[in-house]
Amino acid sequence: ELKVEQNPLFLSMQEGKNYTIYCNYSTTSDRLYWYRQDPGKSLESLFVLLSNGAVKQEGRLMASLDTKARLSTLHITAAVHDLSATYFCAPGRGGSRLTFGEGTQLTVNP
Amino acid sequence: EPEVTQTPSHQVTQMGQEVILRCVPISNHLYFYWYRQILGQKVEFLVSFYNNEISEKSEIFDDQFSVERPDGSNFTLKIRSTKLEDSAMYFCASSDPGNTIYFGEGSWLTVV
Repeated sequence: ELKVEQNPLFLSMQEGKNYTIYCNYSTTSDRLYWYRQDPGKSLESLFVLLSNGAVKQEGRLMASLDTKARLSTLHITAAVHDLSATYFCAPGRGGSRLTFGEGTQLTVNP
Repeated sequence: EPEVTQTPSHQVTQMGQEVILRCVPISNHLYFYWYRQILGQKVEFLVSFYNNEISEKSEIFDDQFSVERPDGSNFTLKIRSTKLEDSAMYFCASSDPGNTIYFGEGSWLTVV
């Protein structure tokens, strides 16, 4: 059974600071997704990482994947309040289930 | 941008009643999914559907649950006899082969 661990689970940071969220998973997957969720809302796709060494960036967020270490990171650069949300990683296989982590609840304070 | 649409957005039902949640996946997508999220918890996989049949299901998806694609556009989740612990947000999702999985806005189900 695939297990997914995210850390930290709660992250409070100041605007302008940098931080990294880590996602470890227990068995081989051929892709990894990052999603953002605002309270009471749906899951917004941020990144799909399809291969070892993949790195994708969008604005202040950058995601990477190391399939050998079974590790993905989501790096936040110069955080702003609008990034406050819960972030989920989810490894999976094409056309198959995603297994979500517990989520990292990010709060960016002014 | 194309989106996955779900109805109803919120439903309150009595324990033991049947509930049908409806979804319209993105039109050219081939894979369809249902996930649920109990309040404050992580998102859990229920079932995936491809080529008009269930391709994978989780241990949560027991005999009380069923899915159907009654026509070319809708994808439904039926809960036959709801229990209190079925209260959750139910998300429908769809994808094309091998890329982003798009989630709908969700249907809040409250069982009383």
